[in-house]
Amino acid sequence: DAGVIQSPRHEVTEMGQEVTLRCKPISGHDYLFWYRQTMMRGLELLIYFNNNVPIDDSGMPEDRFSAKMPNASFSTLKIQPSEPRDSAVYFCASSLWGQVVFFGSGTQLSVL
Amino acid sequence: AQSVTQLGSHVSVSEGALVLLRCNYSSSVPPYLFWYVQYPNQGLQLLLKYTSAATLVKGINGFEAEFKKSETSFHLTKPSAHMSDAAEYFCAVSPPGGANNLFFGTGTRLTVIP
Repeated sequence: DAGVIQSPRHEVTEMGQEVTLRCKPISGHDYLFWYRQTMMRGLELLIYFNNNVPIDDSGMPEDRFSAKMPNASFSTLKIQPSEPRDSAVYFCASSLWGQVVFFGSGTQLSVL
Repeated sequence: AQSVTQLGSHVSVSEGALVLLRCNYSSSVPPYLFWYVQYPNQGLQLLLKYTSAATLVKGINGFEAEFKKSETSFHLTKPSAHMSDAAEYFCAVSPPGGANNLFFGTGTRLTVIP
């Protein structure tokens, strides 16, 4: 299996622009997670889905952030409009039955 | 609510020396506990997990951890450090039955000195 695949690996954008991060979970996994990693706050869970349904989005920082999972093999995290404080590494992860969580390689986002 | 505290944001050991990374947890119910490793510019990789079976858990790359309920600890050890062990290590806790809500510690950066 190729593991959790995220794209792009790096994204540089200007403040105010829309940013879309993409994730393909491991085939057959029924849970998908979006995490954000910063020096100041460490690893934070933003939102997670079970069978494509958002279960807990309490970690989403504000309305500028939205996440979708239109099918079992694809999810997006969108930031609109982006701000410099959104600069971070965003990880997508997936698991089967909520057991071991497998992480993607992350998207390094820089908002200038 | 669950949380973990990792003591020491940076740990340095000599190559061949014992590695000890500390993790204490807080949980109102018996937790599941995990150690993940993150190499530069990569995602997190599971080292080992405790899910209420044997209290001494062996993981990959020669690492192991012992669940001690009386001390609310889950420290990670390796008898002999290798240069390739240099990375950041994260302890995490979740409620029993699933890792839907993984709470991570702040991480410990391990440096191995030749």
